[in-house]
Amino acid sequence: EVKLLESGGGLVQPGGSLRLSCAASGFTFTDFYMSWIRQPPGKAPEWLGVIRNKANGYTTEYNPSVKGRFTISRDNTQNILYLQMNTLRAEDTAIYYCARTPSYWYFDFWGPGTMVTVSS
Amino acid sequence: DVQMTQSLSYLAASPGESVSISCKASKSISNYLAWYQQKPGEAYKLLIYSGSTLQSGTPSRFSGSGSGTDFTLTIRSLEPEDFGLYYCQQYYEKPLTFGSGTKLEIK
Repeated sequence: EVKLLESGGGLVQPGGSLRLSCAASGFTFTDFYMSWIRQPPGKAPEWLGVIRNKANGYTTEYNPSVKGRFTISRDNTQNILYLQMNTLRAEDTAIYYCARTPSYWYFDFWGPGTMVTVSS
Repeated sequence: DVQMTQSLSYLAASPGESVSISCKASKSISNYLAWYQQKPGEAYKLLIYSGSTLQSGTPSRFSGSGSGTDFTLTIRSLEPEDFGLYYCQQYYEKPLTFGSGTKLEIK
């Protein structure tokens, strides 16, 4: 059974940093692209970026809206996906989801999400 | 960016009825469209991809249609567990984008 579980969310001050984790199980982690998606309260989901699979060199691609501030990485020995978020702003407040991404660019499994609140 | 518009933000229907949820893309996206269901406290669930292909485990009462700019998710013979939010997502080009969602309430 595919399972994804995010952690690391919480309250952070504007300008601060936070690293989210996503523990994956139930599938061969290195075979899949993995994405981060966020959803601000009451708004549509927003794709943040992707890290590709082993066959594609674990390269990354980002939504221009967060490029330069957010970094996606993965630990393929522990099957963990990461999202490093820097210079956080109030508008980064959202539920953050990790999602398995078949190389066709939709999302076939999601985690339950972790809440990030940026506020002083 | 490709804008995805779900014109109906809210929809109420009774069990046994059929409903259709529409999604419109700001440019042609061929059939690179997915539909998701989100229920409170649960993870997003992929229902349909490639516009009309049911994901494994999606009940056959769900169907998707459309190509180009106009797409429809149809649920035949609604079940009580079908309440929730429904989102479309295009994957024709990056950044990948989602519609704003349609909330389906069961009467």
